[in-house]
Amino acid sequence: KAGVTQTPRYLIKTRGQQVTLSCSPISGHRSVSWYQQTPGQGLQFLFEYFSETQRNKGNFPGRFSGRQFSNSRSEMNVSTLELGDSALYLCASSWGYTDTQYFGPGTRLTVL
Amino acid sequence: DAKTTQPNSMESNEEEPVHLPCNHSTISGTDYIHWYRQLPSQGPEYVIHGLTSNVNNRMASLAIAEDRKSSTLILHRATLRDAAVYYCILIRSGGSNYKLTFGKGTLLTVNP
Repeated sequence: KAGVTQTPRYLIKTRGQQVTLSCSPISGHRSVSWYQQTPGQGLQFLFEYFSETQRNKGNFPGRFSGRQFSNSRSEMNVSTLELGDSALYLCASSWGYTDTQYFGPGTRLTVL
Repeated sequence: DAKTTQPNSMESNEEEPVHLPCNHSTISGTDYIHWYRQLPSQGPEYVIHGLTSNVNNRMASLAIAEDRKSSTLILHRATLRDAAVYYCILIRSGGSNYKLTFGKGTLLTVNP
């Protein structure tokens, strides 16, 4: 069974731009979560989607948004990029509530 | 969310057992203890989880204290590929706790 895939793997943007990251969960998984990882803050939860509905959201500004499609694929968007948004963005999928989460390799975003 | 406490770093020699401790004194009755690990340049990877009884799988063993206020992840024979950051996380069953709250984790170094 294919794992969680994330595209693109690497991205370079400049301040003020916006970016969209994509995540394809493991087949059959309906829950997709997004995390931001930085050296200073570690792994931080962004939001989680289940059956196209956002069920929980972390403490991030409204510039960070996401959505989930009917096939469970998910995208996250960051608008008006800031230097501090440079991070590894990780997507994880699971079958349902509180199940084991399987992580993708992440998208490395660099904001210049 | 209940918190976990882990040592910042630990060191082991190859082919020796490794015991990674985790304290979770505020654990509730429905909290499952999960362990994930993150190898360099990869997303976190599920290792093992348990509720009350000790658990074994092909990767590791999980020993849970009788009062559940602490647990230990046991790698029976460490290899160089086990060098990673290990995270101990509590996930509440049946609740809305479908976000993983990661602490700093324990950086495990394995010496050849």
